[in-house]
Amino acid sequence: KQEVTQIPAALSVPEGENLVLNCSFTDSAIYNLQWFRQDPGKGLTSLLLIQSSQREQTSGRLNASLDKSSGRSTLYIAASQPGDSATYLCAVLNQAGTALIFGKGTTLSVSS
Amino acid sequence: GAVVSQHPSWVICKSGTSVKIECRSLDFQATTMFWYRQFPKQSLMLMATSNEGSKATYEQGVEKDKFLINHASLTLSTLTVTSAHPEDSSFYICSTRNSGNTIYFGEGSWLTVV
Repeated sequence: KQEVTQIPAALSVPEGENLVLNCSFTDSAIYNLQWFRQDPGKGLTSLLLIQSSQREQTSGRLNASLDKSSGRSTLYIAASQPGDSATYLCAVLNQAGTALIFGKGTTLSVSS
Repeated sequence: GAVVSQHPSWVICKSGTSVKIECRSLDFQATTMFWYRQFPKQSLMLMATSNEGSKATYEQGVEKDKFLINHASLTLSTLTVTSAHPEDSSFYICSTRNSGNTIYFGEGSWLTVV
């Protein structure tokens, strides 16, 4: 059974710092991996999607990498801002596309 | 714009009543929709997979008679929480999958049972 783990569970950084969020999964047979952002009381916002054949994706200050063989993904946030404060979730879609399994998330707090 | 519309965003209901949550795919026909539940400080947990024109597939531990799912059209799936109790208070969110296996989420529905 696929399990997704995110480390750390919580992270506090001062504004301007670069940071890395980690995601690991136990079954490398995935279709894709997505990073989401969840603000308190809100739904999910998709940040980056990496197909299983890809190694990384970039969007603005965000860069996500995928090492499928080792079951790891990282989300790199450059020059963090207070507006980046949120919970970041990673999720893997199985190869059949029938189940999206989430990690518990990393709650990020960026102070000004 | 939104690809998936979920309604209502917030709902408060009395214990013992039923609540229906709608999930609409706005940009494409969705043969499959997913329903998730999230308790405070927990991860999103898949409840069931909704298939158009057939019975939903429920995850282990999810009561199918309590959480009724109807996927009557290619653009609409509904989740009905029957005889709701305070422990059903949670964040419920639906998602759809396009032909490229990209997942899109609704805005989510916060249910409070009093």
